[in-house]
Amino acid sequence: QKEVEQNSGPLSVPEGAIASLNCTYSDRGSQSFFWYRQYSGKSPELIMFIYSNGDKEDGRFTAQLNKASQYVSLLIRDSQPSDSATYLCAVRGSSASKIIFGSGTRLSIRP
Amino acid sequence: NAGVTQTPKFRILKIGQSMTLQCTQDMNHNYMYWYRQDPGMGLKLIYYSVGAGITDKGEVPNGYNVSRSTTEDFPLRLELAAPSQTSVYFCASSYSGELNYGYTFGSGTRLTVV
Repeated sequence: QKEVEQNSGPLSVPEGAIASLNCTYSDRGSQSFFWYRQYSGKSPELIMFIYSNGDKEDGRFTAQLNKASQYVSLLIRDSQPSDSATYLCAVRGSSASKIIFGSGTRLSIRP
Repeated sequence: NAGVTQTPKFRILKIGQSMTLQCTQDMNHNYMYWYRQDPGMGLKLIYYSVGAGITDKGEVPNGYNVSRSTTEDFPLRLELAAPSQTSVYFCASSYSGELNYGYTFGSGTRLTVV
C-alpha cells in the first residue's frame, strides 16, 4: 500500500463547475496535510494546508480532512482554465521531519 | 529574498560522469530536501537534512550523496551517472518546529543522462 494515494486522472471538469480531488494516506499518526499545484514544467506551489478535522476554506479552495477515514480532499469552486494543472497531495507523517507526496492528479478545466 | 535557488537549470551528462547539483536558501530554514520527479510521476525523496551536519536517506538514495556543512547550502552529488538518473530534481526547504509549514521549492534542475 502506498503511503499517499491519489487518482492519477486526468480529471476533466467544465469551466465554472466544482472540481473535487481526493487523497488517502496510510500513516494514522500523520499530523498535517498539504495540497500543492504544479503546472507543467514548473515546481510545486503550496496552495492549502490543513491539520484539524473538518473544512478549511481559502478563496475558491476548500480542503477537507477526515482523520478517522484517513482521507483528505480539495474542492475548487468556480473552476477556471488556469486551474488546469497537476495537484499533489502531501502528508507530514509521524516522522515530522519529512513530507510524503502522492503521485498527483491531473486536472483539466474545459471551456 | 531569493528563496530556494538551484543551479544549473539544465544539464546533459554522459554515462559515468559525475556532477553536483547546487541548492541554497536564504530563509534560515533548518530542514532541506532533495526530490526527483520522473515524467508523469510524483516526487520521490532522495535525501534530507534537519540541520547543518545532519543528513539522512530518503526513499531513493542509491547513486547520490549529500552534505550539509552550512544552514544555507545542501548540494547533491551524482557519482557515475546512469540513464536511470534522468529526471527533474527539486530542492526544497522548510521551517522546523511548525508542523503547518509546507516546503518552499526551488525551480528545479532538468538532468538528462545519455
